[in-house]
Amino acid sequence: DIVMTQSPDSLAVSLGERATINCKPSQSVLQRSNNKNFLAWYQQKPGQPPKLLIYWASTRESGVPDRFSGSGSGTDFTLTISSLQAEDVAVYYCHQYYSLPQTFGQGTKLEVK
Amino acid sequence: QVQLQQSGPGLVKPSQTLSLTCAISGDSVSSNSATWVWVRQSPSRGLEWLGRTHYRSKWGYDYADYVKSRITISPDTSKNQFSLRLNSVAPEDTAVYYCARDRTSTGGFDYWGQGILVTVSS
Repeated sequence: DIVMTQSPDSLAVSLGERATINCKPSQSVLQRSNNKNFLAWYQQKPGQPPKLLIYWASTRESGVPDRFSGSGSGTDFTLTISSLQAEDVAVYYCHQYYSLPQTFGQGTKLEVK
Repeated sequence: QVQLQQSGPGLVKPSQTLSLTCAISGDSVSSNSATWVWVRQSPSRGLEWLGRTHYRSKWGYDYADYVKSRITISPDTSKNQFSLRLNSVAPEDTAVYYCARDRTSTGGFDYWGQGILVTVSS
């Protein structure tokens, strides 16, 4: 199974500042045949299911604000929120769909400083 | 707009069977462009992918090894829904259970059910 390790476990950022969350799969999730990274990012607020933010590691889901961006390849990925808004307080998860079983990171809790 | 509506009991006794249903609107359980999955979430284990079903000329199923001997995912085309059965449950199966749509063209779970907390307790 691919182990997904996120860092940090929690993060406090001032409103308007940048937030960066890292995700490291235990093996590459890059499919060389199409040069796509099989990695997604989700946002989860209390009492709600996860919400898809990013797929293919860097493609923003429709309707997701452009302050959210994803980058990286292979075994090193980053989710960046360029200017933190109050509504971004949530837990963020990375998810690999390269191989079965699909696996998730342990989550990063983002709070306002 | 796709919607997934979950139903089922919130309390199951140890050794019994957990049964949940996910009713789909706005898409088809037989869609060639979607896969239908079950995921659970608990404080101790985080988000766990349990298994999936999909239709590509015939029905396919994939299950996580850690539940493979106990799990069945079944599509119901007449009701446009799919279900989860998990046998021989134990307290460690206590979790919020979600159904979701896996968008085949891009990957990622783009629609989720509301989640049901299932507690395994006598």
